Amino acid sequence: AQSVTQLDSQVPVFEEAPVELRCNYSSSVSVYLFWYVQYPNQGLQLLLKYLSGSTLVKGINGFEAEFNKSQTSFHLRKPSVHISDTAEYFCAALNQAGTALIFGKGTTLSVSS
Amino acid sequence: DSGVTQTPKHLITATGQRVTLRCSPRSGDLSVYWYQQSLDQGLQFLIQYYNGEERAKGNILERFSAQQFPDLHSELNLSSLELGDSALYFCASSPRTGATGELFFGEGSRLTVL
Repeated sequence: AQSVTQLDSQVPVFEEAPVELRCNYSSSVSVYLFWYVQYPNQGLQLLLKYLSGSTLVKGINGFEAEFNKSQTSFHLRKPSVHISDTAEYFCAALNQAGTALIFGKGTTLSVSS
Repeated sequence: DSGVTQTPKHLITATGQRVTLRCSPRSGDLSVYWYQQSLDQGLQFLIQYYNGEERAKGNILERFSAQQFPDLHSELNLSSLELGDSALYFCASSPRTGATGELFFGEGSRLTVL
């Protein structure tokens, strides 16, 4: 089955600490990869995407992700988080047909002071 | 504001009933996607339309149907509702048929089936 796996359902972290949200994709999805963020009571918005080229992708709000083909991973990182980064983060991959995004189950990032 | 509008924001109904969720995509976007978000299943792709034509189907139940109208707005119809249909239903739009670009999501319609 086509799948995207987010390895942590919840990640608590203190403000200004670094964070990594882990994502693995199955070999049956494409390598067009995305991270979306969902703030409370809002829709999802794109953080960053990897389509090709450099394996290190920079996104909005200081986030970046690294595509690792050998480990089929696309982990999201931020060197120093803020309270305002508290949200649900979703990793996604384009399905093989190229018609829709397959989402992971999400990681709740909770940043406290 | 993504530019995608979904109505209603909240809907409470009873088992066995039928509801219609509406989505207006961003101006100029031809593709509309419907997703269901529930606690146990996460975000599940239901169906995609492009310029009025169905392009892809995901895990959409036979009790559910959708269409995209000439003005590009879309409706998701859910019938014979069951408790398990309670979820947040998202609509997303994009300029073209492929999803390699960004999907713009609405704020969702929260359906509660009692």
